[in-house]
Order: sequence, then structure tokens, then C-alpha cells
Amino acid sequence: DQQVKQNSPSLSVQEGRISILNCDYTNSMFDYFLWYKKYPAEGPTFLISISSIKDKNEDGRFTVFLNKSAKHLSLHIVPSQPGDSAVYFCAASARSGGSNYKLTFGKGTLLTVNP
Amino acid sequence: KAGVTQTPRYLIKTRGQQVTLSCSPISGHRSVSWYQQTPGQGLQFLFEYFSETQRNKGNFPGRFSGRQFSNSRSEMNVSTLELGDSALYLCASRQQGRSNTEAFFGQGTRLTVV
Repeated sequence: DQQVKQNSPSLSVQEGRISILNCDYTNSMFDYFLWYKKYPAEGPTFLISISSIKDKNEDGRFTVFLNKSAKHLSLHIVPSQPGDSAVYFCAASARSGGSNYKLTFGKGTLLTVNP
Repeated sequence: KAGVTQTPRYLIKTRGQQVTLSCSPISGHRSVSWYQQTPGQGLQFLFEYFSETQRNKGNFPGRFSGRQFSNSRSEMNVSTLELGDSALYLCASRQQGRSNTEAFFGQGTRLTVV
């Protein structure tokens, strides 16, 4: 059972436009959400995170929105740049056993930003 | 500050063999997690270690095991390798002591089983 779902395997946008990547989750115990970016043959790079007590977090061109009632989060990239082309993973964690946190990942969305 | 270091970067093994992968976390990070990434899949959680103790374990067979040393370095072992074990194995380190912290990943070890 997939607890974190990224339903769009790929997304293509024009340079300068907005990229919106979506993520849905089913586990109501998740209390921390993260977005990672991954280039081929490299490890994922942390982008931005959001706690369940917030509904928005912004860092430069990246903004993450959280809708807890819909169990949905999204990553907005504005403006999109060709260097943003990569696979984006949504991840969630739920406190388990005290201070231990396991990240549950979606399958990723391949973003292509065309010049 | 150095990032997460994984060795080796690439590895080719034969079915039935065993393999050991190594991970050195960011200095000061005490939590180390391991993930498996296969084509078309997201990252699948293997296990997490904190202060030399396994705290969480994913749904992988007992052939997958790990350990953490007193300096927080971690090793992952896979015994009796199968073709399906071919994957990118990623290690992530995290700083404990905060309620929510992000995990930082190494570049991974690409394991090919033939």
C-alpha cells in the first residue's frame, strides 16, 4: 500500500513559467513533509520541508503548500529554470518509537524545463 | 563540512555472493538510514540506526542487515545476492535532537548483481 503518491510521472514546462508538482498521502500520522530533487547517478538533494502545523513554507523560488484536510501537498517553482530539470521526490515522516523518523517516499515526478 | 560519503560508488557482484556497503555520515549526525532505489520505484526504506542501535526496519528480507559503529559510520550487508537486489543504495544522515529534521543523502552505491 503506497502511503505517499505522486500521480504524475512526468511534467514538462517552459522556462520562466511555474512548475507545480503534486503529492498525496494517506497516513494521517505523517507530521513532516519534504521535497527532494534528484539528478541521475546522484543522491537526492533536500529542497524544502514543511511541518504539519503550517500550511505554507517558502524558500526563494520554491514554495511548498500543505492541505492537511485533503492530505495533499504541492511544490511550486517560480520561475522555472532549465537547471531545475530533475526527478522530484515527495517524502513524509511520522514519529515512531520516540525520536525516530522514517521517511516514506513517493515514486517521483520527472520535471523537464524547456528553454 | 563534508557531506555523506558512501563507498564504493559502483559494485558488480555475482548471484549468491554477499556485499558490504559503507556510509560515513555528516560530522555530528548520529542517525543513519539506508534506502534502496530501483528503476520505476521510489526510495524504499531499509533501516535506520541511531547510537549503534537499529531503531526502524523496512519490509526487506533478513538477507539485508546493517550496523552502526561508535563513530556513527554505518555498514549495510546483503547476503546471498539475487538479481533483484540490483539497485542504487542510498545512505542518509540526520541530526537528532530536533523534532523534525531533514535527511541528507550520499551519492549512493550502484550495485549490479549478475
